[in-house]
Parts: sequence; C-alpha cells; structure tokens
Amino acid sequence: EVQLVESGGGLVQPGGSLRLSCAASGFTFSTWMSWVRQAPGKGLEWVANIKQDGSERYYVDSVKGRFTISRDNAKNSLYLQMNSLRVEDTAVYYCARFKHFDVWGRGTLVTVSS
Amino acid sequence: QSALTQPASVSGSPGQSITISCTGTSSDVGGYNYVSWYQQHPGKAPKLLINDVSKRPSGVSNRFSGSKSGNTASLTISGLQAEDEADYYCSSYRGSSTFNWVFGGGTKLTVL
Repeated sequence: EVQLVESGGGLVQPGGSLRLSCAASGFTFSTWMSWVRQAPGKGLEWVANIKQDGSERYYVDSVKGRFTISRDNAKNSLYLQMNSLRVEDTAVYYCARFKHFDVWGRGTLVTVSS
Repeated sequence: QSALTQPASVSGSPGQSITISCTGTSSDVGGYNYVSWYQQHPGKAPKLLINDVSKRPSGVSNRFSGSKSGNTASLTISGLQAEDEADYYCSSYRGSSTFNWVFGGGTKLTVL
C-alpha cells in the first residue's frame, strides 16, 4: 500500500523550532517530494519541494530562510526543519509526492502560540 | 504569492452537473499545462482528481473532468452524488524567478 505518515507536530512558542518527519512506504521513494500546509479553516499552501537526490530545493517566499526541507533516501524519509516559527505558521502540515501531489499523508498539526 | 481565484461555494442537486472555475494569470494557469484539481472531505487529506489540466488518474471516476481556456481552468462534475459534497482546490505551476506552485483558495461544493 502506498503510504505517507507524518509525525513531529505539536505546540511550540513563537520563535521556537520543530522538526517534522514523513515516512514513505509502498512506492519508490526516488522522486520529488513536497510539504504542503493548511491553516485551520483555510486553503492549501505549497511550502517546499526537494529533488530526488536533494540537490534542488524550493520554498514559498514566506518560509525562505526559516524552513529547510531534507530527505534520507536510505530511510525513505522526508523532513522539514522549521525555525523562527511564527503564529501564522500554525497549520496541518502534509507531505505529498510531487509533482502532481498524487499521494498525501494524513498530516501533522503544528500550533505556534504563547 | 497570491492564490488562484476560485468561487467560495457552488451547489447543485443530485444528478446535475456543476463547474468550478480557477482563474490565474499567464504566469501560471495560462502559461503551463500543469493544472491539477483536488477533493478534500472534512478532516481528511486532499485527493488528486485531475492532473495536467485534463488527465484523470487511475481510480478516479469519469464523472470528474478538467479543461482550460486562457487563464482559467475548470473542473466539471457530472451526475452529482451526495458523496461529492466536499472542498475542491486547483493548483498550478507558477513560473517566476524561482520554482513554485500555487493553490486556489478552495470551493465548497454543497449537494442539495
């Protein structure tokens, strides 16, 4: 079964850090991968993409310099290191298989609040 | 980065057809054939319905179809069913100085 499972979400104070993980199974992980987020009651927002070998990474402007996408192909895992978190980063974070976002995890909730 | 423009809500009766629009610019929807559509039920992850403007992935009902004209893409759902009630999102590649993707604001479909 093709599956993505996110973990690592939680409550963090503004300015804090959090690292999200995404475990992939059931498909060849050597493909572009993405993170997409959804603020409570809001729409979807693309956050970042990473190429198969990690040599290319792209980010939405609002997270550049604060978030870092990475992967470990040996562990079939995708990561999102989030630093200098802001209240507006509060959202459910999904990992998804790029480029069509054709496989999604169930998401992990990140809450940034004091 | 502004989102693509979708109507906030649409509605239809069972058996009818409805169309959801997704308006962008020549830098995204109009410039590339990389428009996709997603269905999201409450509390669930999005599900891919259409990619590359009009291609339907395996397993997606042929009641869902996509098209594009100029800077506007459309999703048509025919033979509406109660289970089609959900939020629908479009997405597109947006060409610019950096590689990025953009989603629409979402459309709530109500089956009357």
